[in-house]
Amino acid sequence: KNQVEQSPQSLIILEGKNCTLQCNYTVSPFSNLRWYKQDTGRGPVSLTIMTFSENTKSNGRYTATLDADTKQSSLHITASQLSDSASYICVVSSGRSYIPTFGRGTSLIVHP
Amino acid sequence: DGGITQSPKYLFRKEGQNVTLSCEQNLNHDAMYWYRQDPGQGLRLIYYSQIVNDFQKGDIAEGYSVSREKKESFPLTVTSAQKNPTAFYLCASRPNLGLDTEAFFGQGTRLTVV
Repeated sequence: KNQVEQSPQSLIILEGKNCTLQCNYTVSPFSNLRWYKQDTGRGPVSLTIMTFSENTKSNGRYTATLDADTKQSSLHITASQLSDSASYICVVSSGRSYIPTFGRGTSLIVHP
Repeated sequence: DGGITQSPKYLFRKEGQNVTLSCEQNLNHDAMYWYRQDPGQGLRLIYYSQIVNDFQKGDIAEGYSVSREKKESFPLTVTSAQKNPTAFYLCASRPNLGLDTEAFFGQGTRLTVV
């Protein structure tokens, strides 16, 4: 069964600090992995997409990594801001289905 | 502006009543999806549609119904048969060309049963 596991479930950091969120998946065959940011009470918005051949991709202060061998991805946030407080969702798509598999998300709170 | 619009943002329903959530997109996307999100849980798929006049059940379709009479619209009806309907509902759409296309989400509808 395709699964996406994210850790930690929640995280609290101080403004200006860095943090790393983890995503492990068992989706097969792998097509791509996306990280979404979801502000409270809003719909998710895509941050990055990574395909099999990519192992690092950046979007401003967000850097995603992918290790297709170990089926792990991470999202690193540099110099966190209060506006980074949100839920970060890892979504993995299979090469056989139009239905992606969602992780439960990591809830990030950035304190001043 | 192109996008996907859900309405209303907040909805209250009495027990035993059916209620319909609206989802409209002007992105010319073929595929549309309905998800339910509960606190501490990931998005769970209710129904999806790859093309007009066709839709498929997702993982938690019981107590829900949909229609896809137009490409732009994919309304979700929460029926009285849904035992625990209070949740945050998200609609998404994506082009049907290719398996790696991005899904665009609406802003969600928070349904509360009172």
